[in-house]
Amino acid sequence: NAGVTQTPKFQVLKTGQSMTLQCAQDMNHEYMSWYRQDPGMGLRLIHYSVGAGITDQGEVPNGYNVSRSTTEDFPLRLLSAAPSQTSVYFCASSYSDDRPSVDEQFFGPGTRLTVL
Amino acid sequence: AQKVTQAQTEISVVEKEDVTLDCVYETRDTTYYLFWYKQPPSGELVFLIRRNSFDEQNEISGRYSWNFQKSTSSFNFTITASQVVDSAVYFCALSDYAGGTSYGKLTFGQGTILTVHP
Repeated sequence: NAGVTQTPKFQVLKTGQSMTLQCAQDMNHEYMSWYRQDPGMGLRLIHYSVGAGITDQGEVPNGYNVSRSTTEDFPLRLLSAAPSQTSVYFCASSYSDDRPSVDEQFFGPGTRLTVL
Repeated sequence: AQKVTQAQTEISVVEKEDVTLDCVYETRDTTYYLFWYKQPPSGELVFLIRRNSFDEQNEISGRYSWNFQKSTSSFNFTITASQVVDSAVYFCALSDYAGGTSYGKLTFGQGTILTVHP
């Protein structure tokens, strides 16, 4: 299993540009989510999905869109990048129940985004 | 609303010292999960432990131990005989628990930067 993969690893954008951060998992997890990590603030939830076709907002959704057309993929779209969106973005996935064999939420390696 | 507070922003110790990282949480849920994650300098997030709110037993795994106390809403993490490789940012997190399932919506603390000097 590749686990949770994210592309790209690094990205530099200019203000106003749009882009999509890719996230994929091969563990057949129902639940996927996007977090952003900023210094001194821990990780904050942007959007999440409990299954294909179902998404919802997290704590900091403004400026981001998501869709979940398949179980495997959960892309995050920045519609019009702003310097405030400079951050490290993590995608995560897990089963949607608390079966004893599963203890964790799997995180991808992260995408470091800089908006100039 | 859920909240996780890690009051210690940075901790610096010398190798072989014991160190405790504090975590205090707030939630209205009676059922929830608590987590600890480690983020080494390479940047990935490494899962350390998940504990559900039903289980207040302390847990030990090698040099790591966790003290969960519902009465004080705390889930503290102790590293015994610290090593340089323990240097990392450590996050405590809280997950809601809706209708018998955990949707994994984690609320993270701000993180504690641990530096272990040789």
